Amino acid sequence: EIVMTQSPATLSVSPGERATLSCRASQSISAKLAWYQQKPGQAPRLLIYGVSIRATGIPARFSGSGSGTEFTLTISSLQSDDFAVYYCHQYSNGDGSFGPGTKLEIK
Amino acid sequence: EVQLVQSGAEVKKPGESLRISCKGSGYTFSNNWIGWVRQMPGKGLEWMGIIYPGDSDTRYSPSFQGQVTISADKSISTAYLQWNSLKASDTAVYYCARLSAYYVSGIYYYGLDVWGQGTTVTVSS
Repeated sequence: EIVMTQSPATLSVSPGERATLSCRASQSISAKLAWYQQKPGQAPRLLIYGVSIRATGIPARFSGSGSGTEFTLTISSLQSDDFAVYYCHQYSNGDGSFGPGTKLEIK
Repeated sequence: EVQLVQSGAEVKKPGESLRISCKGSGYTFSNNWIGWVRQMPGKGLEWMGIIYPGDSDTRYSPSFQGQVTISADKSISTAYLQWNSLKASDTAVYYCARLSAYYVSGIYYYGLDVWGQGTTVTVSS
């Protein structure tokens, strides 16, 4: 089973600044990585798949990078609507797992 | 509109059985895997397993194997998550989500692009 970890657990950033969230896999997952945003009381929303490909309707300020076991979600110029919890997720051949999440809060 | 609509909140006692549902509309339900995700109170997302409604091929996360049953009825575009004997620790919100495959430069990538609204299951004596 592939274990996903995320850091930091909580990230405090001011609106307008850049946020960098990290995700690590316990073994290489190639590019089978997606990122999700979840706000309180809501279902998660797909942001990025294939490490760096934005899902439909996702603003360009969201970008993903990485390969193998190390991945990054960057949000440039944070908007008030971006403060939420972010999860990375790997999926391949029926096997999937989420990271524990990073809570992005307003500084 | 593509959507997944889940059944309503449930309150059950330990030892009782339960089946919750997830009905798809706006797309060909048989053609996409449906995943189930647990979120315990105040906690993160946990991958439970996934089913392909077209042939009911089902894969479970090791943590949930034997604890739940995932099934689907493609004739009514509905996936199910079932427990035979609930425990207090099953108290959580359960989400279903559609897995979509994206073919890019010769490689398939996957994303859970449509989510149900979640079903809250409370197990308490």
